[in-house]
Amino acid sequence: DTGVSQDPRHKITKRGQNVTFRCDPISEHNRLYWYRQTLGQGPEFLTYFQNEAQLEKSRLLSDRFSAERPKGSFSTLEIQRTEQGDSAMYLCASSFPTGANYGYTFGSGTRLTVV
Amino acid sequence: AQKITQTQPGMFVQEKEAVTLDCTYDTSDQSYGLFWYKQPSSGEMIFLIYQGSYDEQNATEGRYSLNFQKARKSANLVISASQLGDSAMYFCAMRVTGSQGNLIFGKGTKLSVKP
Repeated sequence: DTGVSQDPRHKITKRGQNVTFRCDPISEHNRLYWYRQTLGQGPEFLTYFQNEAQLEKSRLLSDRFSAERPKGSFSTLEIQRTEQGDSAMYLCASSFPTGANYGYTFGSGTRLTVV
Repeated sequence: AQKITQTQPGMFVQEKEAVTLDCTYDTSDQSYGLFWYKQPSSGEMIFLIYQGSYDEQNATEGRYSLNFQKARKSANLVISASQLGDSAMYFCAMRVTGSQGNLIFGKGTKLSVKP
């Protein structure tokens, strides 16, 4: 297992289109997080899964955003009717639930550009 | 409100010298964790070092050390013997107690190492 994988690395889409990103976490990790990072800012929490259950959602996650983690393995993040303000890096991270530093491992991110 | 503040948007350091990146945090919780991540231009977030609020010793990981001053609510990162490969964005983050492990990030500091 080489780490957290995200696909695609880059996505350019027209305003109003739907996009879907995929995250494959480290197989032993049962916690999975999505973050959004805009230019010049640190990552901001979007949502969190423990196994297949989505346990927390940020107020940043508008109705146009939906995330799933079927079978507690990979996760998808879909953005419907994209807006220019959705342009950002979307980062996925996974971790064990215990341990002093929770062992967060981040993926390389998907950079979304809405034109 | 819980918050991370990084007041240095950019820093320069000469190769082989030490550099300190500042981080202050705000929380009313007694139990919390502090993290530093490195983000190269490729985008992935690389874990560097962790400090728990109850840890009595400052954390160290190779060339990285964390200067933890609890009373001042500061958690500065010290990089010794800087290398050209250390040029990157550096983010300080805090794990929020009771939030299922989500991290709150600062805005980051861009470190440039000069040859």
